[in-house]
Amino acid sequence: GAGVSQSPSNKVTEKGKDVELRCDPISGHTALYWYRQSLGQGLEFLIYFQGNSAPDKSGLPSDRFSAERTGGSVSTLTIQRTQQEDSAVYLCASSPETSGFYTDTQYFGPGTRLTVL
Amino acid sequence: AQKVTQAQTEISVVEKEDVTLDCVYETRDTTYYLFWYKQPPSGELVFLIRRNSFDEQNEISGRYSWNFQKSTSSFNFTITASQVVDSAVYFCALSELRTGNQFYFGTGTSLTVIP
Repeated sequence: GAGVSQSPSNKVTEKGKDVELRCDPISGHTALYWYRQSLGQGLEFLIYFQGNSAPDKSGLPSDRFSAERTGGSVSTLTIQRTQQEDSAVYLCASSPETSGFYTDTQYFGPGTRLTVL
Repeated sequence: AQKVTQAQTEISVVEKEDVTLDCVYETRDTTYYLFWYKQPPSGELVFLIRRNSFDEQNEISGRYSWNFQKSTSSFNFTITASQVVDSAVYFCALSELRTGNQFYFGTGTSLTVIP
């Protein structure tokens, strides 16, 4: 079946502009994650959605970052007033379910490479 | 504090050599999960393995094997008879039952297999 898809694959923007990054999770996956990977770095957790529960926003680096998940499926990560330090690859992942009893494997999309000039 | 440490930033080996990638984790939970992911040059992370904290049995999958030792909080990954296609960045990750929605990734080890 189809994996996690993200769009655009590349985005170049000017400092101060807003950007929207999209993630389509694997069909049926209830959990969705956003991560940021800066050059040569590991993955930095940004936000997590699980079903209809309130999202875990504890990883968002500033109030310029926000994310939505509509209908429990597609998610959009929005960065307002972009800064050069926002340049990174933004990765989305989905997993079937996370419960108190086990943690499911995450399946990653190809990422969106954001460059802020 | 870093919950997952991958001390090896870059490793180069000659094809057919064995190579071990180290992963040390830190947690106070008794129930947790450990993962390895591969990120080839194409960029997409590929899931390799998941282990839970109650299963210390080592696992072998083809040329890949994993050594989980709770006594040293390590979950090392060995590639036997390495191949050029193994060249990638490998990430180790931890998820705790207590905060099951959050994964902690190491900074990755970049493996280059030289033909």
